[in-house]
Amino acid sequence: EVQLLESGGGLVQPGGSLRLSCAASGFTFSIYIMTWVRQVPGKGLEWVSAISTDGGTAYYEDSVKGRFTISRDNSKNTLYLQMNSLTVDDTAIYYCAKGGWTDDWGQGTLVTVSS
Amino acid sequence: DIQMTQSPSSLSASVGDRVTIICRASQGIRSDLGWYQQKPGKAPKRLIYSASILESGVPSRFSGSGSETEFILTISSLQPEDFATYYCQHHNTFPRTFGGGTKVEMK
Repeated sequence: EVQLLESGGGLVQPGGSLRLSCAASGFTFSIYIMTWVRQVPGKGLEWVSAISTDGGTAYYEDSVKGRFTISRDNSKNTLYLQMNSLTVDDTAIYYCAKGGWTDDWGQGTLVTVSS
Repeated sequence: DIQMTQSPSSLSASVGDRVTIICRASQGIRSDLGWYQQKPGKAPKRLIYSASILESGVPSRFSGSGSETEFILTISSLQPEDFATYYCQHHNTFPRTFGGGTKVEMK
């Protein structure tokens, strides 16, 4: 059974940083593109970032380019999202998802950016 | 970037109704489209991929059709557990944008 467990969310001040993690199990992590998607509570889904199987290629939504960095550790079956220069508009539930086609999702971790 | 437009943004329907949701892409995306269902407080769940292929375990009352720029999700006979929000997402290029969502509410 595929399991994706996000962690690292919390309350951070504007301008601050946060690192999200996603621990994966139940599938061969190293052969899948991995994805981050976010959702402002009560609003729609927003694709954020994806990373290639070897970590060598990353893709970002325009509003997070230059501020967020996606990475992965295939030896630990873990996906990361380093978020810097956070703004209130980054407040959302962050989901990690398996595959570039987002076929399985974790339960999400809430990031709140507020002073 | 490819933009995805869903319609309607919400609809009211009764159990047993046939429901149709449309998703339009700003440019051709072949059949690179998925449909997702999300219930309050839960993560999205993929129902359909490649525009028309049902995920394992998804009831056959759900179906998807279309290609290139116009796609349709159909629920043939709405059940109580189907009241939820539905999203399309293209899988053609990056960024892989979502449609704005369609909330299916009880009439």
